[in-house]
Amino acid sequence: DARVTQTPRHKVTEMGQEVTMRCQPILGHNTVFWYRQTMMQGLELLAYFRNRAPLDDSGMPKDRFSAEMPDATLATLKIQPSEPRDSAVYFCASGLAGALSSYEQYFGPGTRLTVT
Amino acid sequence: GESVGLHLPTLSVQEGDNSIINCAYSNSASDYFIWYKQESGKGPQFIIDIRSNMDKRQGQRVTVLLNKTVKHLSLQIAATQPGDSAVYFCAEWGAQKLVFGQGTRLTINP
Repeated sequence: DARVTQTPRHKVTEMGQEVTMRCQPILGHNTVFWYRQTMMQGLELLAYFRNRAPLDDSGMPKDRFSAEMPDATLATLKIQPSEPRDSAVYFCASGLAGALSSYEQYFGPGTRLTVT
Repeated sequence: GESVGLHLPTLSVQEGDNSIINCAYSNSASDYFIWYKQESGKGPQFIIDIRSNMDKRQGQRVTVLLNKTVKHLSLQIAATQPGDSAVYFCAEWGAQKLVFGQGTRLTINP
């Protein structure tokens, strides 16, 4: 059955290193969302795309985070340089805008990032 | 600004009983609400949604109630089962994005 996939599932890195997280949305979906989840802040929207174009990245620290969609089957979230406060679970979600349930989002399993 | 909050951070119920999880929202212009379930180590999973022109919607063992007058949303789970143990999030669609509440942890007592 169709699912959002994310890689890697776990990542441990040292402060200052670059981190790249990847997401494959469900085939045919035209919206992609990146969220960050921590115990303190809960689920926070970082960025989202529609038809590969970035619509909102206001939740993302611009100086170190970047999100792209090189093509319709791949979304990336990059952190450079990483900091310990970036430790969190990062979720990707995809959806189909314009459908009856246009706001429903399907979440991937997440990437658990630990920055030491 | 927008905010979606929850009345209770944890809820413990007996297996077989009904569960009610509550949520308050602040943006009266929001026109769409979703409940998600998140099990340990997994991403949130869609449960049920409701549009602002409705006050009740039923699914399989779940019912969502929307009270726009007091800006309150609730999720009712009938005959709660061990598999219902999870964190439940309400979310509202506003300003072209979903805003999530902090979540309620539901635990089931045997």
